[in-house]
Parts: sequence; C-alpha cells; structure tokens
Amino acid sequence: EVQLVESGGDLVQPGGSLRLSCAASGFTFNTFWMHWVRQIPGKGLMWVSSISSHGNDLRYAESVKGRFTISRDNGRHSMYLQMNSLRVEDTAVYYCAREGGGTFALDYWGQGTLVAVSS
Amino acid sequence: DVQMTQSPSSVSASVGDRVTITCRASQDISSWLAWYQQKPGKAPKLLIYAASSLQSGVPSRFSGSGSGTDFTLTISSLQPADFASYYCQQTNTFPRTFGQGTRVEIK
Repeated sequence: EVQLVESGGDLVQPGGSLRLSCAASGFTFNTFWMHWVRQIPGKGLMWVSSISSHGNDLRYAESVKGRFTISRDNGRHSMYLQMNSLRVEDTAVYYCAREGGGTFALDYWGQGTLVAVSS
Repeated sequence: DVQMTQSPSSVSASVGDRVTITCRASQDISSWLAWYQQKPGKAPKLLIYAASSLQSGVPSRFSGSGSGTDFTLTISSLQPADFASYYCQQTNTFPRTFGQGTRVEIK
C-alpha cells in the first residue's frame, strides 16, 4: 500500500525556517517524481515544488524560489522541503504527493502538515 | 505561466443530478489535465488524468473530456459521497497550476 506521511509543520515567526519531511512507503520511491502542494485553510490548491526521481531536476513556484529548497534521499525513501525566510503568506497545509508514472498527475497524497507563520 | 480558470465556483445540485464543471487553460495544454476531488479536512484525490482517463478505483459516473484549452468534468448521477470541492490541474508544463476550485453543494 502506498503511503506518504508528512511531518515538520509548526508555528514559526516571520523570517524563520522550517524543514518539512515526507516519508514514503509501498512503492519504488526512486522511480517517481515527487511534489509539494500547499493549501491555505479554506482556499484552493497551489503547486509549490517538484523533484525528479533522481533529484537532479528541481522546480519551484515563483513565490518560493530562492527561499525554499526541495530535496530527496532515495536511500531513506524521503523527500524534504527546506523553508527559509518564511512569510505570513506561507501559512498553509503542505501536502506531499507522488506523480503517477507516465500520467503526470498526482496519484497519491499525504495527509498534510500545517505550517503557521505568525508573530 | 498557464492560467487555469474553472467554472462555476460553486454549484448546488440534488442527488441524481448531472453535474458539469469546466476548466479553461490560457494556452494549449494538449490533453495534460487532471481532476481532483477534495473533501473537508482531507487530502485531494485523483479522479481523472490525461483529460479523460479514469483513475483506478474511481466510480464510472465520473468522466472527463476535452483537449487543447477547454475541458469538462462530468458527474453523470450525483451521489451523496460526491458533495465536495473539485480542482483541475494542468500537467503540461511547470508551474503545474491549479484551477481555483468548484464546490458542489447539496441543493
């Protein structure tokens, strides 16, 4: 069974940093692209960042470029999102998701982890 | 960036109704479009990929169509479990933009 479990969400002050983790199981992790998507409570979905299966192709939304860094450790079946210079508008539930092979769609999602940026 | 525009933003419908949601891309995305369902407090769930392919395990009352810039998600006979929010996402290019969502409410 495919499972994605996020962790690391917390309350942090503006300008602070946080590292989110996504632990994957139930599939061959090193053959899939992985993504982060966020959602402000009560609002819509926003794609944040993506990483290729071997970690050599990284993509970011313009609003997080230069502040967030996506990475993965295929040996640990895990993906990460290092979030620096956090802003109030980064407050959201952050989901990790797997991209289905050949479909480009996000076929499995984690339960989400809440990041709250507030003074 | 490709802008995705969904309509309507909300729809009130009854059990058994046929519901259609549209999604328009600001440029040609071929058939690289996905549809997701999201219930309150839960993660999104993939319904349709590549515009018209039904994800495994999704009921056949859900269908998708379209190509280029105009797409539709149709629920042929609305069931109580279908009251939720629905999002389209273009999967053609980065950034992988979502539509703003459509809430399907009980009439």
